[in-house]
Amino acid sequence: NAGVTQTPKFQVLKTGQSMTLQCAQDMNHEYMSWYRQDPGMGLRLIHYSVGAGITDQGEVPNGYNVSRSTTEDFPLRLLSAAPSQTSVYFCASTNQGDTEAFFGQGTRLTVV
Amino acid sequence: QQPVQSPQAVILREGEDAVINCSSSKALYSVHWYRQKHGEAPVFLMILLKGGEQKGHDKISASFNEKKQQSSLYLTASQLSYSGTYFCGTANTGFQKLVFGTGTRLLVSP
Repeated sequence: NAGVTQTPKFQVLKTGQSMTLQCAQDMNHEYMSWYRQDPGMGLRLIHYSVGAGITDQGEVPNGYNVSRSTTEDFPLRLLSAAPSQTSVYFCASTNQGDTEAFFGQGTRLTVV
Repeated sequence: QQPVQSPQAVILREGEDAVINCSSSKALYSVHWYRQKHGEAPVFLMILLKGGEQKGHDKISASFNEKKQQSSLYLTASQLSYSGTYFCGTANTGFQKLVFGTGTRLLVSP
């Protein structure tokens, strides 16, 4: 049982480059979210989704795009990476939100 | 807005107790507690719902004061394995949007 899988685990980007962080879950969860974690800032919500075709902004959505074409996948796109986006990114999924959320192992992104 | 956690950090000896507080400026419908060990993903501890229902951990207790918009996590007789960063999260009525606080770092030493 894989749970929530994030790829890649590590990534270095140059300023201005674009990339997609992948997130897939095999638990048939409706709700999925992306968070970024920075020292002293905790986990900040970037975007979230309550089902295929439905996404919404979190607290820090600028510079990031998401889409949800299937229940299983929720990719996060950085269109033009900036050093301020250097962070650890976590994807999470939960079944309807009032139960345990499962997190992926994270992607450590460095933008130089 | 992120919920506010206090204290920011706690150092304990094994066997001592600790309380971690979480407060929100918005009305709370649920409070979610997670623990994260260094270099790992956050792991679920419990959810506290309006009306008193609690889901999750049976060895760690917590309270939820809806009127004061506060929750507290009680760690009693702490063990070395309790070390990590604790996050409280608050969700909207439909639980779709889960927002976490800035975390409380807990270190339990022998």
